[in-house]
Amino acid sequence: GENVEQHPSTLSVQEGDSAVIKCTYSDSASNYFPWYKQELGKRPQLIIDIRSNVGEKKDQRIAVTLNKTAKHFSLHITETQPEDSAVYFCAASVRATGRRALTFGSGTRLQVQP
Amino acid sequence: DGGITQSPKYLFRKEGQNVTLSCEQNLNHDAMYWYRQDPGQGLRLIYYSQIVNDFQKGDIAEGYSVSREKKESFPLTVTSAQKNPTAFYLCASSGGQGVPIVGNVGQPQHFGDGTRLSIL
Repeated sequence: GENVEQHPSTLSVQEGDSAVIKCTYSDSASNYFPWYKQELGKRPQLIIDIRSNVGEKKDQRIAVTLNKTAKHFSLHITETQPEDSAVYFCAASVRATGRRALTFGSGTRLQVQP
Repeated sequence: DGGITQSPKYLFRKEGQNVTLSCEQNLNHDAMYWYRQDPGQGLRLIYYSQIVNDFQKGDIAEGYSVSREKKESFPLTVTSAQKNPTAFYLCASSGGQGVPIVGNVGQPQHFGDGTRLSIL
């Protein structure tokens, strides 16, 4: 089945700096890659997603890049703010026999220091 | 998202007891999912359902059971066979009216607020 690895597990940056979180996946048939932000004790919220027919997608301060050949994708947050502090999860769709669900990475705890 | 309601928010289970977690959605989504989240860890798939009256095991289905009798509802039962049930349980849904099942591969999942289950 699909395996998604996420790095780093924790990331601390100064306010205004950029943050980059990287994920790799194993199933070359995966075609959908969302990123979720989860604040403590709350539900994961979709912040951006990308499909395999696109190499990059941007939404204001957030961007995601996808390298299908290397099977990795990254989340880029620019001009970080304290409210960006949260746990971020990447995920990949699984297109194995009969299964259509997401496999999640283990998460990155981002702390933005004011 | 306001369209997915999980209840209760907190639940306590006595040893040997089965408990049921509720998940209701009014988004007209075809697919629904249950995930388990342990402290400091990612989400692991318990069960999922692509359509009414059908569901499939995920990665950690042992000790859990589900039903999908209505499109809007996907309750999860944590049975006494689940020896370590303490966790945060998240329900999600995806897809929409007219979207074929195969289209759900690339659909965002929307989550409920979760149920925190503990052992008494």
